[in-house]
Amino acid sequence: DIVMTQTPLSLSVTPGQPASISCKSSQSLLHGDGKTYLYWYLQKPGQSPQLLIYEVSSRFSGVPDRFTGSGSGTDFTLKISRVEAEDVGIYYCMQAIHLPWTFGQGTKVEIK
Amino acid sequence: EVQLVESGGGLVQPGGSLRLSCAASGFTFSNYWMHWVRQAPGKGLVWVSHIIGDGSATTYADSVKGRFTISRDNAKNTLYLQMSSLRAEDTAVYYCARLGINWGQGTLVTVSS
Repeated sequence: DIVMTQTPLSLSVTPGQPASISCKSSQSLLHGDGKTYLYWYLQKPGQSPQLLIYEVSSRFSGVPDRFTGSGSGTDFTLKISRVEAEDVGIYYCMQAIHLPWTFGQGTKVEIK
Repeated sequence: EVQLVESGGGLVQPGGSLRLSCAASGFTFSNYWMHWVRQAPGKGLVWVSHIIGDGSATTYADSVKGRFTISRDNAKNTLYLQMSSLRAEDTAVYYCARLGINWGQGTLVTVSS
């Protein structure tokens, strides 16, 4: 199974400041079709995971442009340019190139 | 608009059975692989099972293999997860998902005496 490693596991951010989460995979997530199947989710308290970013850097419908995904191969990053109060929750990366899908441990983001 | 609505969760005793359903709408259900993912209370996300579009192939996490069965009814646009020989460690919110894009709201399964 592909192991997904997120860092940090927790983050305390002042509103308006940037935040960055790293996700590293144990194998390349680049598929033969040219796509890289790396996703980012935010799970707000008491809710199901909501998709933020798919295929490394494509922002899902309705996701604010302060969220940016980047990376390639095995190293990926989610950046929030200016954190807002509504961004609190747990962020997960997930790989979907191979079954089983595997997830990072999650990064808990809170507001200072 | 894509919608996935899970149902069928509840409290069940260890060793018991339960069938979860996921009603899909807003897309051509039979064209897509579908997945179940679960999340134990206070824990992370764990993939459980998947089924291809025509239902002819399935895969399972080792932790549920031989106890859970995934299936689908493309005429009813519904995904199922039949769970048997349930254990306390199966307690979780179960989500159905399409690709990595769309997730349902989840249904809680509690295995306890």
